Amino acid sequence: DVKVTQSSRYLVKRTGEKVFLECVQDMDHENMFWYRQDPGLGLRLIYFSYDVKMKEKGDIPEGYSVSREKKERFSLILESASTNQTSMYLCASRTSREEAFFGQGTRLTVV
Amino acid sequence: AQTVTQSQPEMSVQEAETVTLSCTYDTSESDYYLFWYKQPPSRQMILVIRQEAYKQQNATENRFSVNFQKAAKSFSLKISDSQLGDAAMYFCAYRSAGAAGNKLTFGGGTRVLVKP
Repeated sequence: DVKVTQSSRYLVKRTGEKVFLECVQDMDHENMFWYRQDPGLGLRLIYFSYDVKMKEKGDIPEGYSVSREKKERFSLILESASTNQTSMYLCASRTSREEAFFGQGTRLTVV
Repeated sequence: AQTVTQSQPEMSVQEAETVTLSCTYDTSESDYYLFWYKQPPSRQMILVIRQEAYKQQNATENRFSVNFQKAAKSFSLKISDSQLGDAAMYFCAYRSAGAAGNKLTFGGGTRVLVKP
């Protein structure tokens, strides 16, 4: 069974904190993605990576950065968390040919 | 940029009945993929069905089928014989088949409620 694992299901952080969201996949996929999910807005792409150490901005990269040091791991970083970053964060991975596989999501609350 | 629109925030269906979810998209490309994803309360996104734009035949997966109208840029999902386990958020998504085909663009989602 394919697996995309996000390190936390629920996270509560304070405004101004540096936050790390981790995602690991065991399928040897080249491409990994971070999405943000908000009611009525669907999923919006924050960043994606098509190879180790490679990254590209998605549609809403402001306030976020990413790191991909190893093929299986893709980290999303909130440099200084703000309340408007309270959201559900979804990680996904895929090869060039297959559909995307998603993690179970991290619900982040910034207080 | 491509956009995907789901105009129905919520749909309700009686168990064993049929419900149709609508999705429209905007693109200037001729080759692309369309998807319907299901997100149950567990939050795990699951692929329901996939359609390749160059294929005229509508995709079918058990009780799930699509009506793909390329000229109208419409991609609706029909759930037949609805079951309680079909209750979930459903997202329509678009992906280019070309060089920019790395990312999925999602619609806003439709919540499906199934009444016993």
